[in-house]
Amino acid sequence: SAVISQKPSRDICQRGTSLTIQCQVDSQVTMMFWYRQQPGQSLTLIATANQGSEATYESGFVIDKFPISRPNLTFSTLTVSNMSPEDSSIYLCSVGTSGGRETQYFGPGTRLLVL
Amino acid sequence: AQTVTQSQPEMSVQEAETVTLSCTYDTSENNYYLFWYKQPPSRQMILVIRQEAYKQQNATENRFSVNFQKAAKSFSLKISDSQLGDTAMYFCAFMGNNDMRFGAGTRLTVKP
Repeated sequence: SAVISQKPSRDICQRGTSLTIQCQVDSQVTMMFWYRQQPGQSLTLIATANQGSEATYESGFVIDKFPISRPNLTFSTLTVSNMSPEDSSIYLCSVGTSGGRETQYFGPGTRLLVL
Repeated sequence: AQTVTQSQPEMSVQEAETVTLSCTYDTSENNYYLFWYKQPPSRQMILVIRQEAYKQQNATENRFSVNFQKAAKSFSLKISDSQLGDTAMYFCAFMGNNDMRFGAGTRLTVKP
């Protein structure tokens, strides 16, 4: 399994600002994923980030709101732009093994509160 | 589209006893993977167990085992000798040709 870290672990932000979340993996991985978990809810996939290509966004999520970078095989960032209280959630990154089809391992998550 | 259903929002079990969490899914695919993840209050998603659909043998990891019924599209998790540290949200997940889909979760409380 991979060891995944996320920064920050939590943050409180003001409406209208942006926050960039970092995800670091201890080994090279092809596929990285970003999820949102709203309070008391399950996980919803935001986008898939492959190194060297544009991120692929799920329905309901757009690049202007959630820009993603994937500069190399061990790192990715997710930015939550122009935040509103509805963006208050836990944001989790995960990495896929064997091309992402077998198992995903998750980072510890970033708890975001937007006031 | 694949859907994953966990019909038990909450469950509780006495320490040292056995509990079974239910999960059903809907898919037209033949090759896929199923997972149970645990999310304790620390919110870290931890992989508990994994099952490949092409394997008939049920997966087992120490006190955790699954009952995989492919024809019925059922994938339940059995936790034996429950421990206080098993208290967490448990998510069933399906991975087919596309993305991983999660169920709504079951909140399990282990009582001393």
